[in-house]
Amino acid sequence: AQKVTQAQTEISVVEKEDVTLDCVYETRDTTYYLFWYKQPPSGELVFLIRRNSFDEQNEISGRYSWNFQKSTSSFNFTITASQVVDSAVYFCALVNYGGSQGNLIFGKGTKLSVKP
Amino acid sequence: GAVVSQHPSWVICKSGTSVKIECRSLDFQATTMFWYRQFPKQSLMLMATSNEGSKATYEQGVEKDKFLINHASLTLSTLTVTSAHPEDSSFYICSARGLAGGLGNEQFFGPGTRLTVL
Repeated sequence: AQKVTQAQTEISVVEKEDVTLDCVYETRDTTYYLFWYKQPPSGELVFLIRRNSFDEQNEISGRYSWNFQKSTSSFNFTITASQVVDSAVYFCALVNYGGSQGNLIFGKGTKLSVKP
Repeated sequence: GAVVSQHPSWVICKSGTSVKIECRSLDFQATTMFWYRQFPKQSLMLMATSNEGSKATYEQGVEKDKFLINHASLTLSTLTVTSAHPEDSSFYICSARGLAGGLGNEQFFGPGTRLTVL
């Protein structure tokens, strides 16, 4: 069975604080992809990152960074020096392509509120 | 980049009527399109997967006779909510996946359609 768990339902921080959003996944497949999406109040999903199961390198993009650890089945997302515009719901998702149609399995999302 | 559009972006209808939502891949061919539903403050739940030219595959608990999906071309899939009821009010999001080797397995999301059934 495939599953994505985002244990943090809501997080509230003050601007300029660093914040880490947790994501833990379950899959029996060896080939899979992990994603993070941002969903602002408008509803449109914004793609942030895709990582395949063979690439455990951490990635940094501006204030965003991701820590992928297969040993703990985690793919955590850190926002450094948060800003009010970062306020949104963030979803972690998993897809595998081995014998399936490749649909995304989403976590329940973490609502991030950044206060000025 | 790959763009997916949805039309309409929002719709309000009376109970008992049918509503059609279109999902188009504007600059690539999509062999597979996915339809998701998202209730307020909840995650996206996959409703069905459609492949061009074949019948859609519905997830458990999704009524195929109520949510009609047609994927007649490589750039268009439609979701028709038949005899809509207030409990069908939700945010419907489609995604499209390109041909393997082209855009590969990347999924691109539409902006969503907010359906309100009175």
